[in-house]
Amino acid sequence: QVTLRESGPALVKPTQTLTLTCTFSGFSLNTSGACVSWIRQPPGKALEWLARIDWEDDKYYSTSLKTRLTISKDTSKNQVVLIMTNMDPVDTATYYCARGQYHFDDWGQGTLVTVST
Amino acid sequence: QSVLTQPPSVSGAPGQRVTISCTGSNSNIGAAYVVNWYQQLAGTAPKLLIYGDTNRPSGVPDRFSGSKSGTSASLVITGLQAEDEADYYCQSYDSRLSGEVFGTGTKVTVL
Repeated sequence: QVTLRESGPALVKPTQTLTLTCTFSGFSLNTSGACVSWIRQPPGKALEWLARIDWEDDKYYSTSLKTRLTISKDTSKNQVVLIMTNMDPVDTATYYCARGQYHFDDWGQGTLVTVST
Repeated sequence: QSVLTQPPSVSGAPGQRVTISCTGSNSNIGAAYVVNWYQQLAGTAPKLLIYGDTNRPSGVPDRFSGSKSGTSASLVITGLQAEDEADYYCQSYDSRLSGEVFGTGTKVTVL
């Protein structure tokens, strides 16, 4: 059974850096074809893909957010970390991690991050 | 921001058929990249509903079906049920943006 769980701060201040961790089980990021993505959803709005890391440690980023994002993995801990710099109130959203290469088979429950003073 | 356009809402009575469109362009759906569909019930994470244009994961009822033609894709729900009331999103890959893209989302209401 595949599970994913996001963790990180619920509240960050503008200009701060956000660090989110996705802890997963039921698969390995060492396995060929394995990928984990980060996706976010502002309240009442659509989903937005942010970044993906694959089993070969290749990394892909949203063009519009590329300069602010860093994705990494720790296969020994079964974790994927997303760092987003220079947070702004418009970045307030539920952040999800999801497993899959061409489609997202499994999702975490999401973590709501609010950007406010 | 979304490059895939969906109608904001569709509705139908129980038992009816509803269709949700997903309109893209030649850099995503029209370039033959697969389309996937997700169902998001209120307050929950999205769930994969259709992958690879037409395939249903195990456990997804066969009243959900997907199709694709040209630069558009469609999700059809036949025999609409109360538990189908949710938001639905299409998703594909865009070569111009070099990344995954989601649709604008469609709220399905069961009358």
